[in-house]
Amino acid sequence: EDKVVQSPLSLVVHEGDTVTLNCSYEVTNFRSLLWYKQEKKAPTFLFMLTSSGIEKKSGRLSSILDKKELFSILNITATQTGDSAIYLCAVDSNYQLIWGAGTKLIIKP
Amino acid sequence: DTAVSQTPKYLVTQMGNDKSIKCEQNLGHDTMYWYKQDSKKFLKIMFSYNNKELIINETVPNRFSPKSPDKAHLNLHINSLELGDSAVYFCASSLGANVLTFGAGSRLTVL
Repeated sequence: EDKVVQSPLSLVVHEGDTVTLNCSYEVTNFRSLLWYKQEKKAPTFLFMLTSSGIEKKSGRLSSILDKKELFSILNITATQTGDSAIYLCAVDSNYQLIWGAGTKLIIKP
Repeated sequence: DTAVSQTPKYLVTQMGNDKSIKCEQNLGHDTMYWYKQDSKKFLKIMFSYNNKELIINETVPNRFSPKSPDKAHLNLHINSLELGDSAVYFCASSLGANVLTFGAGSRLTVL
């Protein structure tokens, strides 16, 4: 059975800290891995990763995929209170998205 | 110019009632979805609809039925509402089966 596991489930840090969120997967036919950020409303797209070792970067956020070890990490540097959200990982397997349970990140001022 | 819009945003109703949630996308996407997000924030796929092909998550009760009058719309109809149906329902769309764009969600409360 396809599955996506995110860790930690929740994380509380102080502003300015750097955080690393993890997403591991076991799927039958990997096509891509996606990261989303969900604040109060809809999940919003952050990154899509298809190739190992190539970092995707957007401001203070970056992500990388390891297709050999079957995981991805999402890094956030110099965190701000606005980074507080649930971060969701999803893997496209056979054209179906398999979602992780999310990591709830809280940034304290 | 909302890309994926769903209405209503909030819905409070009694057990046993029938209700619908509407969804429209103006992105020209060919696939639309309904997701349920429960109190634990876990996103669960309910349906996906692509070129008149409906893929149903087999765990979804048949009280839930999607209706798609055209490629830009996928409405969700729920019969005989139960307490456990209380959740936030998200509509989403994509081109192919890749990056999804979500609507703002419809919070359903069943009393």
